[in-house]
Amino acid sequence: DQQVKQNSPSLSVQEGRISILNCDYTNSMFDYFLWYKKYPAEGPTFLISISSIKDKNEDGRFTVFLNKSAKHLSLHIVPSQPGDSAVYFCAAGLSGTYKYIFGTGTRLKVLA
Amino acid sequence: DAGVIQSPRHEVTEMGQEVTLRCKPISGHDYLFWYRQTMMRGLELLIYFNNNVPIDDSGMPEDRFSAKMPNASFSTLKIQPSEPRDSAVYFCASSSHRTKGTDTQYFGPGTRLTVL
Repeated sequence: DQQVKQNSPSLSVQEGRISILNCDYTNSMFDYFLWYKKYPAEGPTFLISISSIKDKNEDGRFTVFLNKSAKHLSLHIVPSQPGDSAVYFCAAGLSGTYKYIFGTGTRLKVLA
Repeated sequence: DAGVIQSPRHEVTEMGQEVTLRCKPISGHDYLFWYRQTMMRGLELLIYFNNNVPIDDSGMPEDRFSAKMPNASFSTLKIQPSEPRDSAVYFCASSSHRTKGTDTQYFGPGTRLTVL
């Protein structure tokens, strides 16, 4: 049973527009959430994280929003660039445990 | 820093053979994780170690899988005997509790395993 779900396996966006990637989780105990980006033939790399005490965290073009009541988080990329084309994984868990549950990933394609 | 190193990068073997995957974590990191990536299930945590001690192996699919960390700079994931359904990309990641404000894990490039 998937505790972390990314229901969109793929997403295509025009360069310069906003990309919105979604993630849902089922365990209300989760208090730390991360997004990783993965290019082909490479390991995932950390992108951005958010603690449950916040509802938004921003880092340059990347913003993560957390809606605890809906158990939903989203990653916004503005503006999208062709180099953002990759698979994005969200992960959730309990802070300090170092154990995170990953989603199945969303493949983002940014069209030039 | 060389990052997390995994070997081999690709492994093709026949059903029933033993497979050993290797990982060298980032120096100074005290957590090590083994993940398996498949299309259907995404990234699954198999097992993780803290200071070379296995903490949680609840993700190990069955007794055919075993993992060891004999010292702080080396870990192995062994599958014996291997089966075609074990075909996947296996990632090793490491982390440090001293990384302030984040539980970031640093992933290796992965080992693509194909069992025929």
